[in-house]
Amino acid sequence: ETGVTQTPRHLVMGMTNKKSLKCEQHLGHNAMYWYKQSAKKPLELMFVYNFKEQTENNSVPSRFSPECPNSSHLFLHLHTLQPEDSALYLCASRLQTGDDDYGYTFGSGTRLTVV
Amino acid sequence: SQKIEQNSEALNIQEGKTATLTCNYTNYSPAYLQWYRQDPGRGPVFLLLIRENEKEKRKERLKVTFDTTLKQSLFHITASQPADSATYLCALPYSSASKIIFGSGTRLSIRP
Repeated sequence: ETGVTQTPRHLVMGMTNKKSLKCEQHLGHNAMYWYKQSAKKPLELMFVYNFKEQTENNSVPSRFSPECPNSSHLFLHLHTLQPEDSALYLCASRLQTGDDDYGYTFGSGTRLTVV
Repeated sequence: SQKIEQNSEALNIQEGKTATLTCNYTNYSPAYLQWYRQDPGRGPVFLLLIRENEKEKRKERLKVTFDTTLKQSLFHITASQPADSATYLCALPYSSASKIIFGSGTRLSIRP
């Protein structure tokens, strides 16, 4: 285990459903991220939270709605998704200091299938 | 915008040989570059970070070089083993230190 826990690991949802992905870390990290990974494509940054404040929304459609209630938890709320939104959704965290020697710690991801 | 290219989608080599993966980037020079390993169905795992003022960095059987003139990083695995088979990603900061972008990765296969 990496210390970043994502649930559920797998999710199948219909286009009219509403669901949420959860990410949790107790590593003392102060920045959290959502990435999307589709087949044959690089990881795409979706959202960035620093000290639980959203600092980046990478032109993500409004059917994806992030929430960061505290520095340890991050959610991605999903509604009226499209089949092309099927992908591996990865959460990552990082200790952001003046020193950049810390890499990102990723969770194992949620494999989302939209039917 | 910044672009990252990893030289090949897949690389197959014999166990015991040195695997060399390439990461090229365009536009501005990043302050550092990172390498990650990703296994199927899992998230990437951070391996190494190299700064712009470092020519080379080592960690056990891994060696990373960073040439800011060529805008290129090389990632070497010496004495490769089948367990090293995975996809390797390079990443660098984009527009601010608070976010990084990733290359599409090179899938490395080490045959016994």
